[in-house]
Amino acid sequence: KNEVEQSPQNLTAQEGEFITINCSYSVGISALHWLQQHPGGGIVSLFMLSSGKKKHGRLIATINIQEKHSSLHITASHPRDSAVYICAVASNFGNEKLTFGTGTRLTIIP
Amino acid sequence: NAGVTQTPKFRILKIGQSMTLQCAQDMNHNYMYWYRQDPGMGLKLIYYSVGAGITDKGEVPNGYNVSRSTTEDFPLRLELAAPSQTSVYFCASSYSTAGIEQFFGPGTRLTVL
Repeated sequence: KNEVEQSPQNLTAQEGEFITINCSYSVGISALHWLQQHPGGGIVSLFMLSSGKKKHGRLIATINIQEKHSSLHITASHPRDSAVYICAVASNFGNEKLTFGTGTRLTIIP
Repeated sequence: NAGVTQTPKFRILKIGQSMTLQCAQDMNHNYMYWYRQDPGMGLKLIYYSVGAGITDKGEVPNGYNVSRSTTEDFPLRLELAAPSQTSVYFCASSYSTAGIEQFFGPGTRLTVL
C-alpha cells in the first residue's frame, strides 16, 4: 500500500462544476502539500497545510489529521484548471523529504 | 528572480553515456532536491541537500551522483546511462525542510536509448 493515495486517478467534468480531489495518507505528518502540474510539465505549489483549511481564489484545501485525509476543492471550475493535481506529505520523521501521490488528472470540458 | 532553472530541457543519451543535469536557484534556499517522475508514478526523491557541502540519498539514488559546492547550484550526474533512467527530472528548492513550500524547476526530459 502506498503511503499517499489519491482519488480519483482521472476526473472529467463540465465547466462550472464543483470539483473534489481526495488524498489519504498512512503516516504521521508535519505538513501536506497540494501541487499542480500543467500539461507543459511545470509544477507549482498550491497549498501547504498542517491543520484546518486554506483558501486561495476558487481553490480550497482541507485536512483532517485524525482521519489522515485531505481534500482539494475547486469551485466554478474552468478549462484552465485542467491539470494534474498532486498530493505530497512531509512525515514527522526525517521531514526533509516529501512522499508524493501519483496525481489526479483533471479535465474540464467547456 | 529566475527561481529554479534547469538545463537542458530535453536530452537523448545512448546507453553507457554520461551527462550532468544542471540546476540553479537564486532564492538563497538551503534545501535542494532532485526528483524523477515516471509515467503513472509519483515523484521519487533521488538526492537532496540541506546546504552547501551536504548531500544525502533519497529513495532512488542508484546510478546518480550529486554535489553541492555552492548554495545556488545542485548538479545531478548520470554515469553509464541506462534505459531505466529514462524519465523527467525535476529539481526543487526550499528555504527550510519539506514542511515548507518547495519551488520546482521546469524539468528535464531525458531519454536513454
